[in-house]
Amino acid sequence: EDQVTQSPEALRLQEGESSSLNCSYTVSGLRGLFWYRQDPGKGPEFLFTLYSAGEEKEKERLKATLTKKESFLHITAPKPEDSATYLCAGGFQAGTALIFGKGTTLSVSS
Amino acid sequence: GAVVSQHPSWVICKSGTSVKIECRSLDFQATTMFWYRQFPKQSLMLMATSNEGSKATYEQGVEKDKFLINHASLTLSTLTVTSAHPEDSSFYICSAGLSAGYGYTFGSGTRLTVV
Repeated sequence: EDQVTQSPEALRLQEGESSSLNCSYTVSGLRGLFWYRQDPGKGPEFLFTLYSAGEEKEKERLKATLTKKESFLHITAPKPEDSATYLCAGGFQAGTALIFGKGTTLSVSS
Repeated sequence: GAVVSQHPSWVICKSGTSVKIECRSLDFQATTMFWYRQFPKQSLMLMATSNEGSKATYEQGVEKDKFLINHASLTLSTLTVTSAHPEDSSFYICSAGLSAGYGYTFGSGTRLTVV
């Protein structure tokens, strides 16, 4: 069965304490690996799409990387406003739905 | 660009009544719309996929007679929860596949509470 697995389930960081979130996938036919941020009571907010192993993308304090089996979301010097749930999803051919992992809930305290 | 507007953002209804949730693509044509359900502290679970002008495809275990999906135009898809019960209380989110390029955009979600 195709799966997208995220770890850890929850992560607590102090402000400025860098860390990484993991997303491993066993899906076949993957076209793109997506990262989203979700705040409580809101829909997912798009962060990155990665298409091939070795690809990296950055946005402010976030950097996403992709290998053949997993993706990492690196958070550098996080701030309290980075607190959210980060979702990873596998994408396939256009017109088919994303397969989501369970997410990592990040809490950053000042 | 590529915004999906979802309404209402929250709704409370009585058990046995029906509730309609709307998703409109504001600046693009949504050929395909996906409907997800999310329980507290859980991830998004796909309920159904709808293509404009055709019947929706439901995931295993999703009652198609309870969750009616209409995608009559390229800019509007609706989910109607019929004869709602407390166990239908959840967060419902729509998502559209982008017509240009490869990507997905999400609505802001609807919190349904059935009392």
